[in-house]
Amino acid sequence: QQQVKQSPQSLIVQKGGIPIINCAYENTAFDYFPWYQQFPGKGPALLIAIRPDVSEKKEGRFTISFNKSAKQFSLHIMDSQPGDSATYFCAAISTGANNLFFGTGTRLTVIP
Amino acid sequence: ETGVTQTPRHLVMGMTNKKSLKCEQHLGHNAMYWYKQSAKKPLELMFVYNFKEQTENNSVPSRFSPECPNSSHLFLHLHTLQPEDSALYLCASSQASLQTYEQYFGPGTRLTVT
Repeated sequence: QQQVKQSPQSLIVQKGGIPIINCAYENTAFDYFPWYQQFPGKGPALLIAIRPDVSEKKEGRFTISFNKSAKQFSLHIMDSQPGDSATYFCAAISTGANNLFFGTGTRLTVIP
Repeated sequence: ETGVTQTPRHLVMGMTNKKSLKCEQHLGHNAMYWYKQSAKKPLELMFVYNFKEQTENNSVPSRFSPECPNSSHLFLHLHTLQPEDSALYLCASSQASLQTYEQYFGPGTRLTVT
């Protein structure tokens, strides 16, 4: 059973659009939620992360929205650029239980 | 060299071969990880080492054998693999294991089992 469900699998937006990637989880023991960005031929790199006691976090053009009661969180990319074209992974960590689970990834393409 | 390096970058091996993947981190971290990345599947955490001690082994088949001689080096020894083991194997490191510290990933080793 997948611990973290991510959607959509792929996404195409025009430059300047706001792609939104969604993740959902069931285990309430998760207490840290990072997002990773991966370019072809490279390993994933941390983009932004959030704790469940915060409903929103912004870093530059990237925003995480977190809905603790719904057990859902999402990544928004403002003013998307062709250079944002990559695969994005959400993850959930239970720091107490030393567990980490990733979503299946979303391949984002930003068209110039 | 900086960050996390992995060698080789590509590996083709037969099902009866024995090979090893190598990972080295130059970040002074105490935790190191092996992940398996297959198409359309979540990244799978395979092994976790914290201060050279294995802390997690997520039901990985015994044909994968990790080794962590020190906090900077991590190996994955492979033997009698199956074609379904073909994947990208990623190494990562962080300041401490599976906490809120950022994990830094290497570029991966693309493994093909024939």
